[in-house]
Amino acid sequence: DGGITQSPKYLFRKEGQNVTLSCEQNLNHDAMYWYRQDPGQGLRLIYYSQIVNDFQKGDIAEGYSVSREKKESFPLTVTSAQKNPTAFYLCASSSRDRLFFGSGTQLSVL
Amino acid sequence: AQSVAQPEDQVNVAEGNPLTVKCTYSVSGNPYLFWYVQYPNRGLQFLLKYITGDNLVKGSYGFEAEFNKSQTSFHLKKPSALVSDSALYFCAVRDENYGQNFVFGPGTRLSVLP
Repeated sequence: DGGITQSPKYLFRKEGQNVTLSCEQNLNHDAMYWYRQDPGQGLRLIYYSQIVNDFQKGDIAEGYSVSREKKESFPLTVTSAQKNPTAFYLCASSSRDRLFFGSGTQLSVL
Repeated sequence: AQSVAQPEDQVNVAEGNPLTVKCTYSVSGNPYLFWYVQYPNRGLQFLLKYITGDNLVKGSYGFEAEFNKSQTSFHLKKPSALVSDSALYFCAVRDENYGQNFVFGPGTRLSVLP
């Protein structure tokens, strides 16, 4: 998983609380992504960003927000509007030819 | 629209036997195809890719995959399975007409039995 750092590894959210997942990359990639993985399911795209100060919604963007103020950083906020946030969240960046993944953040609801 | 199918949720194979994990795809342009592996509570690790060239692609840990354009398939193979190969395997595609948007299949859980 070299080059992509996600933190924290485990995160707990209380009802009505917003939480932010960190993702940093040192690969100098323009494109970055957030995926959600539920048990026994594949990866679903939440948001992606092709360049600084620009991002697009993926398939399941409702209840999430992102920012891309710096090339190396792409934080994901899980808002209180996301009613079922418990999942494994994966951040990635890409060169033209492949994706590079972080080690993931497991988010659970208290 | 691009899509990926992995028709088997689970594949069981005995250690030492050959393994195949199946993947089919649908794209409008030329496909860029990938296989990733995921171990429990970890991110995805890159195994191999097909961009262009030879239809048989060799990757990490002795894995290989065969691109078949007519069947729109990209099956992952290994001649002799190891218990340590047991993991979740994902096939992914990027359509050259859709920029940097990667689409993943649902994953196939491989169990190699000793």
